[in-house]
Amino acid sequence: EVQLVESGGGLVQPGGSLRLSCTASGFTFSDHHMDWVRQAPGKGLEWVGRTRNKARSHSTEYAASVKGRFTVSRDDSKNSFFLQMNSLKTEDTAVYFCVRDSNNYSFDYWGQGTLVTVSS
Amino acid sequence: DIQLTQSPSFLSASVGDRVTITCRASQGISSHLAWYQQKPGKAPKHLIYEASTLQSGVPSRFSGSGSGTEFTLTISSLQPEDFATYYCQHLNGYPITFGRGTRLEIK
Repeated sequence: EVQLVESGGGLVQPGGSLRLSCTASGFTFSDHHMDWVRQAPGKGLEWVGRTRNKARSHSTEYAASVKGRFTVSRDDSKNSFFLQMNSLKTEDTAVYFCVRDSNNYSFDYWGQGTLVTVSS
Repeated sequence: DIQLTQSPSFLSASVGDRVTITCRASQGISSHLAWYQQKPGKAPKHLIYEASTLQSGVPSRFSGSGSGTEFTLTISSLQPEDFATYYCQHLNGYPITFGRGTRLEIK
């Protein structure tokens, strides 16, 4: 059974940093691109960033709203995926979901989400 | 960036009704479109990929169609568990974007 479990969310002040982690199980982690998607309270879904699979050299992509502030990374040896968030803004407040790319142009498995609150 | 425009943004319907949600892309995206269902407080659930292929385990009352810039999600006979918010998403390049969602409520 595929499982994605996020951790690391919490309350942080504007300008601060936070690192989210996602631990995967039930599939060959290195074969899949992995993404972060966020959802601000009462709002829709926003793609944040991606790290591609081992075959694509773990290259990354980012949404313009986070580029230069957020960094996605992964450790295939530990089936883990990370989101380092720096220079946080109040508008980064959201539930952050760890997501698996299906390799068929969709996101087929989602974690339960972890809440990040940026507030003074 | 490719914009996805979903319509309607809100839909009120009854159990047993047939409903259709439309997603229009600001430029052609081939068939690289997915649909998701989200219930309050839960992660989205993957329904359809490549515009028309049903994800394993999704009931056959759900169907998708379209290519290029216009896509539809149809639920042939609404069941009580289908009342939720639905999102389309393109994966035809970066940034990946989602539609703003269609909230489906019980009439």
